[in-house]
Amino acid sequence: GENVEQHPSTLSVQEGDSAVIKCTYSDSASNYFPWYKQELGKGPQLIIDIRSNVGEKKDQRIAVTLNKTAKHFSLHITETQPEDSAVYFCAASIYNQGGKLIFGQGTELSVKP
Amino acid sequence: DSGVTQTPKHLITATGQRVTLRCSPRSGDLSVYWYQQSLDQGLQFLIQYYNGEERAKGNILERFSAQQFPDLHSELNLSSLELGDSALYFCASRTSGNTGELFFGEGSRLTVL
Repeated sequence: GENVEQHPSTLSVQEGDSAVIKCTYSDSASNYFPWYKQELGKGPQLIIDIRSNVGEKKDQRIAVTLNKTAKHFSLHITETQPEDSAVYFCAASIYNQGGKLIFGQGTELSVKP
Repeated sequence: DSGVTQTPKHLITATGQRVTLRCSPRSGDLSVYWYQQSLDQGLQFLIQYYNGEERAKGNILERFSAQQFPDLHSELNLSSLELGDSALYFCASRTSGNTGELFFGEGSRLTVL
């Protein structure tokens, strides 16, 4: 089955710096790659997603890139702010297998003022 | 507020006992997913239902079972509980079966003593 590896497990940056989180997936049939943000005491919330027919997607300070050949995708957060501090999860899914999301292990991002 | 409601929010019980976790999906969502989140395992997919029928199964123990009722709410039953079952259990829902955003509830925190 699908396996998703996520790095790093913890990331500390200064406010205003950029943060990059990387994921690799194992099943080349995966075609949907969302990123979720989980704040303390809450459920994960979608922040951005990308489909396999697209190489890059941006939404304000957040961008995601996908390299299908390498089976690798990344989350980029620019101009980080203290409210970006949270746990971030990448995930992968296969449309014709019910669309279940297989998550990476998570990255705890800390943005220091 | 994601629109997904989970009860109870917290549950403390003893080893060997049985508990039921309840999930009400967003209005109109036909798909329900259950995930287990423990400290060292990240978000593990357990099971998916679509319009009352089981659609996909993940790493769900035989001691665990789930169902989705005609009104689309779902229940996750955990029996013969062990210390290692202590975790956050999340329910998520989605409008369609296979793609698009998963909306997560705030979770049910189970503590087995």
